[in-house]
Amino acid sequence: QSALTQPASVSGSPGQSITISCTGTSSDVGSYNLVSWYQQHPGKAPKLMIYEGTKRPSGVSSRFSGSKSGNTASLTISGLQAEDEADYYCCSYAGSSTVIFGGGTKLTVL
Amino acid sequence: EVQLVESGGGLVQPGRSLRLSCAASGFTFDDYAMHWVRQAPGEGLEWVSGISWNSGGVGYADSVKGRFAISRDNAKKSLYLQMNSLRPEDTALYYCAKVGGNGYVDHFDYWGQGTLVTVSS
Repeated sequence: QSALTQPASVSGSPGQSITISCTGTSSDVGSYNLVSWYQQHPGKAPKLMIYEGTKRPSGVSSRFSGSKSGNTASLTISGLQAEDEADYYCCSYAGSSTVIFGGGTKLTVL
Repeated sequence: EVQLVESGGGLVQPGRSLRLSCAASGFTFDDYAMHWVRQAPGEGLEWVSGISWNSGGVGYADSVKGRFAISRDNAKKSLYLQMNSLRPEDTALYYCAKVGGNGYVDHFDYWGQGTLVTVSS
């Protein structure tokens, strides 16, 4: 049960787009359409941003989008805003009733 | 409004036990699977355990298997985590999370605010 691999940090200027990758294996990300993404601001609980790889919950900005190719999922944030600065985590079902998270990515809006 | 309120955390010595609870409201509790996710101070999220709506399916992270036990009481709309043989590395904020959708785990659409467990002598 090794964590999914995410970059430790990414940054971008307001208005720009950034993409956070999440690399797993054929046993987790590659096998199931059950990748989700969470945003976490300091001292707050995580918030669901993307589920089933590409779906956006009601109330989440359309600036957030998800995709998947093989064993790698990605979260793209377009039109970066100051309030997007947070930690982002990917998550996947890993079979046998287990779940795995990525190590997290700190997004800095310059 | 969906609410998840965790309780039961605290300071405990290594090797001792603790039982966490999560009180749910604002949704039909027995329709959904529930999970525990923890976050050590300054660290990332770590999935701990999950349980299906009818307790027929459960899962554990390797790091807690054999020491922790998840359970639920649908009549009381409550989720539990019995933690035995606690270790310093179990120190974390423990979140209760509701699964969105009908499966064991699709995604976590609601989270509690967490209860802090500190394992130290």
